[in-house]
Amino acid sequence: GAVVSQHPSWVICKSGTSVKIECRSLDFQATTMFWYRQFPKQSLMLMATSNEGSKATYEQGVEKDKFLINHASLTLSTLTVTSAHPEDSSFYICSARPTGSHGYTFGSGTRLTVV
Amino acid sequence: QKEVEQNSGPLSVPEGAIASLNCTYSDRGSQSFFWYRQYSGKSPELIMFIYSNGDKEDGRFTAQLNKASQYVSLLIRDSQPSDSATYLCAVTGANNLFFGTGTRLTVIP
Repeated sequence: GAVVSQHPSWVICKSGTSVKIECRSLDFQATTMFWYRQFPKQSLMLMATSNEGSKATYEQGVEKDKFLINHASLTLSTLTVTSAHPEDSSFYICSARPTGSHGYTFGSGTRLTVV
Repeated sequence: QKEVEQNSGPLSVPEGAIASLNCTYSDRGSQSFFWYRQYSGKSPELIMFIYSNGDKEDGRFTAQLNKASQYVSLLIRDSQPSDSATYLCAVTGANNLFFGTGTRLTVIP
């Protein structure tokens, strides 16, 4: 089946630094990828939609200058959390929908802890 | 974002019983509905999808959709301890998924 590879699976960084998270579609091309954030005991909240070769679409309330998204190829999307703060600590998950598939495939998630 | 509501639970059922999970959604234009299972610390995994009114069965799982009532449910028959997880209802928007808050299910051995 379709696989979305996400890494790192966890990262600890100091406040004020930047962290990059990568998502790759391994056996299909993903013109669109979705980035979600999940706080403890809460549901997944869509942050942004990443579009290959064009600007990402951000959901209301998500700072585009803080959460930089790059989708430079049909198989790779990256999310960079810039100037991270402790309140950015969360579980970040990407997903994509393979052409012809009914469901969305999710990456394994990245646990970000900002100290 | 679209509203998708679920009872957060926790829902506890004994092993072998039927677990019933419910979800309502606000957008009448929604076309596709999904149930995902999420274990603690893991990303969601797809259990079932349903597009048409009525029931859809897959093994121990049955999804039920009623578009007039804007209601979708998931039944788990012969519940097993390994079914203990958070179940997320998801509804498609234009080209993405919107999730409910999830229902935590515990199956008691």
